[in-house]
Amino acid sequence: GAGVSQSPRYKVAKRGQDVALRCDPISGHVSLFWYQQALGQGPEFLTYFQNEAQLDKSGLPSDRFFAERPEGSVSTLKIQRTQQEDSAVYLCASRHTVQHEKLFFGSGTQLSVL
Amino acid sequence: GESVGLHLPTLSVQEGDNSIINCAYSNSASDYFIWYKQESGKGPQFIIDIRSNMDKRQGQRVTVLLNKTVKHLSLQIAATQPGDSAVYFCAENPPPGSSASKIIFGSGTRLSIRP
Repeated sequence: GAGVSQSPRYKVAKRGQDVALRCDPISGHVSLFWYQQALGQGPEFLTYFQNEAQLDKSGLPSDRFFAERPEGSVSTLKIQRTQQEDSAVYLCASRHTVQHEKLFFGSGTQLSVL
Repeated sequence: GESVGLHLPTLSVQEGDNSIINCAYSNSASDYFIWYKQESGKGPQFIIDIRSNMDKRQGQRVTVLLNKTVKHLSLQIAATQPGDSAVYFCAENPPPGSSASKIIFGSGTRLSIRP
């Protein structure tokens, strides 16, 4: 596709449910990022993939958060046993190379945990 | 820890005037900086970038200035239009060898345009 695609656009979950958020990066982009954006804040780094390798997961807030990119293209961010503090917009971004190049962002998935 | 921050959380500008949005960064070794625009309900959109070997870069109606001496970035928008209303983020790419993969964002400045 022409840009980064994320689905679902909105997700409402009951506390304790598991959720899976999908990201389709721009075709051919090596690097893929997940960010979490709370209301009124800037995006906070969660994790980074270079092709299928997860090279940095230092931003994942707990072991309930898990991300994968098994074939170096589509990525899934999974949150287990969701809690209210997980409510945020989850942004996916990709870039063609490894570094020193702009990120292209998707529109995000807005997660609301009730 | 290292951080990227902004001087002003909100900025109100008369339509047609120039806007200046400021940003301070703390990692003097960062070598790449980006400005993003984010409209409500959308992901951040690239505006302009600059590498640390430059002091100024111009785009269409936008200019980014980098002052490495005081670790300061600014985004200038000429002839501000209603469509420029958004939240603007500066972001930095840490230097090679130190979590170089991630791009770190500031908290943002909301730009509003008065008719």
